[in-house]
Amino acid sequence: QSALTQPASVSGSPGQSITISCTGTSSDVGGYKYVSWYQQYPGKAPKLMLYDVSNRPSGVSNRFSGSKSGNTASLTISGLQAEDEADYYCSSYTTSNTGVFGGGTKLTVL
Amino acid sequence: QVQVVQSGAEVKKPGASVKVSCKASGYTFTGYHVHWVRQAPGQGLEWMGWIDPDNGDTSYAQQFQGRVTMTTDTSISTAYMELNRLRSDDTAVYYCARDKWFGDLKYYMDVWGKGTTVTVSS
Repeated sequence: QSALTQPASVSGSPGQSITISCTGTSSDVGGYKYVSWYQQYPGKAPKLMLYDVSNRPSGVSNRFSGSKSGNTASLTISGLQAEDEADYYCSSYTTSNTGVFGGGTKLTVL
Repeated sequence: QVQVVQSGAEVKKPGASVKVSCKASGYTFTGYHVHWVRQAPGQGLEWMGWIDPDNGDTSYAQQFQGRVTMTTDTSISTAYMELNRLRSDDTAVYYCARDKWFGDLKYYMDVWGKGTTVTVSS
């Protein structure tokens, strides 16, 4: 199972919106709604930010939103803040009854 | 509070085995699947597999088949991940994480351990 494809890095200024894409295949992202996104700070464990493509767990800011079209899922962060600077990973269920992560995207807040 | 606490760092020689533990508290251990995820230095997250503590069912990523074994001891609410025939590229932080849904499996990991650093070096 190959890793899902994410851009290595994205950047934006405070207050702006950014979108991170996550491209898979019909065997994972495109075939199911079981897509999730994680935020990870250096040296820390990941944190679940979105599940079921676009649902936010309790406590996650509504500045984080998600969508999916075909084999590509997207994470959008609006009203960018300095604290959003982190690594972001997408994840999906696969037809093999396994999981797969994206390669990760480093978000820089300028 | 709901948490999982992992065992401490390990240093192993190539060819050896390592067994990492993950002790759950604050929730019904047998109600939630446990995932194992690793992260090599400077690299991304890699899903390794899951175990259902209720019945011991497992699913492993293909790249670990034959080398990894996930088990649980429900009497002490603890999950284990054992990786055999270690290589230098197994050097990584190993995380356990709870699946979000009670009695179901959606691959959404909502409670994470702090990670266990495993270093493989001769």
